[in-house]
Amino acid sequence: AQSVTQLDSQVPVFEEAPVELRCNYSSSVSVYLFWYVQYPNQGLQLLLKYLSGSTLVESINGFEAEFNKSQTSFHLRKPSVHISDTAEYFCAVSEGGTSYGKLTFGQGTILTVHP
Amino acid sequence: DTEVTQTPKHLVMGMTNKKSLKCEQHMGHRAMYWYKQKAKKPPELMFVYSYEKLSINESVPSRFSPECPNSSLLNLHLHALQPEDSALYLCASSLEGSYGYTFGSGTRLTVV
Repeated sequence: AQSVTQLDSQVPVFEEAPVELRCNYSSSVSVYLFWYVQYPNQGLQLLLKYLSGSTLVESINGFEAEFNKSQTSFHLRKPSVHISDTAEYFCAVSEGGTSYGKLTFGQGTILTVHP
Repeated sequence: DTEVTQTPKHLVMGMTNKKSLKCEQHMGHRAMYWYKQKAKKPPELMFVYSYEKLSINESVPSRFSPECPNSSLLNLHLHALQPEDSALYLCASSLEGSYGYTFGSGTRLTVV
């Protein structure tokens, strides 16, 4: 069985400050890792994913996450946040190599960016 | 077309009603999913269809009945729901392999 722990339920930051949202996972097999963002009253949007290869993955809107196998972590970072980044962020894991992926989500981190 | 479309966006139903949620994608994805998300909680998997066959049922009560009529459509039939079933119901699809889902915007269901 796999599980995901997001260490912070809420993260308040000021605009243009850096932010890190922490995610740890546990699994007995190889995994794929994802970050999703959910804006109020909307579905989830895939922000970025780690499948294999380079451990640092980037999104088009300035977020990046680093897969650390030894620490079983996949923390999300952004060097300078905007008001529009205010949303809930979910870390998720699925078992690698399956024909379809059962996603297991963390509890979510609400990022609030203040002016 | 890179979207998963869910209808309706909002639904209010009584406990004796029968209703259906619909989900459609035209990305050629062969895996489709239903998730349930309660307020302030992460999504929880309900059902997985792979190549139009039910692959996973996460011990969901029988008042929820999924259907996959073809590779582009996924329905969730609702009957005799309880107020605690009120939630955001999310549909998703994925290419073969665990490469990340595309989610729809969800149906906000209220059971009265």
